[in-house]
Amino acid sequence: NAGVMQNPRHLVRRRGQEARLRCSPMKGHSHVYWYRQLPEEGLKFMVYLQKENIIDESGMPKERFSAEFPKEGPSILRIQQVVRGDSAAYFCASSPLQRAGMYSPLHFGNGTRLTVT
Amino acid sequence: AQKVTQAQTEISVVEKEDVTLDCVYETRDTTYYLFWYKQPPSGELVFLIRRNSFDEQNEISGRYSWNFQKSTSSFNFTITASQVVDSAVYFCALSEEETSGSRLTFGEGTQLTVNP
Repeated sequence: NAGVMQNPRHLVRRRGQEARLRCSPMKGHSHVYWYRQLPEEGLKFMVYLQKENIIDESGMPKERFSAEFPKEGPSILRIQQVVRGDSAAYFCASSPLQRAGMYSPLHFGNGTRLTVT
Repeated sequence: AQKVTQAQTEISVVEKEDVTLDCVYETRDTTYYLFWYKQPPSGELVFLIRRNSFDEQNEISGRYSWNFQKSTSSFNFTITASQVVDSAVYFCALSEEETSGSRLTFGEGTQLTVNP
């Protein structure tokens, strides 16, 4: 039973290029969360998605960042025109369908380390 | 709004010492969940424990123990007889029932270094 799969594990981009980070949730999980960990800091929530829907994007930077979770295929976090400040570890987590009154734990992937040169 | 504070940025101990990592949280919810995660140098996040707000019993798992005190909004983590392999960044996190999905709010982490 594979866990949350993120790829690539490491990604190097030059300033101005695009970065695409992929996340395949655990089997049976329909909810995906993206977190960013800047160097020497904790994890900060970015976005919460269900299949084909963005539920909460309150942590997403207003420009250059977008996320999707299509009906088929992995969730994608896309960063356009990357800058050095985007260098960070990006973690994806997934959970099953939420049921009222029951907590569904998050399962984290191993992260993608983005380096912008 | 929820908030998690880990006041200790770095702790350094010698092997076999006991060490306690502090975590203080803020929430307006009556139902919430508290977590500890370990992030070793390899970078992945390792889940350690989850407690819900209605269960204040302390928990022990091997050399790990957790002290949940609602009165002081704290959820402290103690490692007994620390080992070099315990060296990692430890994160405390909070999830509120009313928050979207299972979204977690993390503290800034405590870097624990256990020296031989």
